[in-house]
Amino acid sequence: EAGVAQSPRYKIIEKRQSVAFWCNPISGHATLYWYQQILGQGPKLLIQFQNNGVVDDSQLPKDRFSAERLKGVDSTLKIQPAKLEDSAVYLCASSFIAGASEQYFGPGTRLTVT
Amino acid sequence: SQQGEEDPQALSIQEGENATMNCSYKTSINNLQWYRQNSGRGLVHLILIRSNEREKHSGRLRVTLDTSKKSSSLLITASRAADTASYFCATGDAGGTSYGKLTFGQGTILTVHP
Repeated sequence: EAGVAQSPRYKIIEKRQSVAFWCNPISGHATLYWYQQILGQGPKLLIQFQNNGVVDDSQLPKDRFSAERLKGVDSTLKIQPAKLEDSAVYLCASSFIAGASEQYFGPGTRLTVT
Repeated sequence: SQQGEEDPQALSIQEGENATMNCSYKTSINNLQWYRQNSGRGLVHLILIRSNEREKHSGRLRVTLDTSKKSSSLLITASRAADTASYFCATGDAGGTSYGKLTFGQGTILTVHP
């Protein structure tokens, strides 16, 4: 079974530039999550999709972050404009069902904002 | 905000010894999960324990959950150098429309010396 795919793996941008990350979840997984993990901390949930609908975006900085999941499969997360504090690893995860089930994580995208 | 708090923040042991990590949380949960993260394999699910369970085993892993004390522990027996990683507890929300949201702690860095 193929895992969660993410691209790019690394990205370096200057502050105020924009950046986009892509995620392809495990086939058949209805729930998709984007997390932000700052160095030395645990992952923080940014947004959760159930199929192509948003069920939780309470911690997403909506003035600069946006995400979509068209057709309930792939998802993109965008930052515009980026700030220095956005430097982090962005993790995508998926699960078969929402609720009490394990999440499968992709390798992440390491973003450095200079 | 991060609900789980792991203790200790760092643990260094010799191969063959047991490693115990603790996690405390603040609010009611549906389940508690443990994940491992290292540079080679990213973030990987280890074990899930539901709020009505007290103990669970998986191979060399033993997890306990005490909902009255809002705490959990992860025991790794007969540790190996390959167990070197960061270990995170993640709590699954108990109620309503949380749709399986996980809140991660800061993690425990485990180093196993050969």
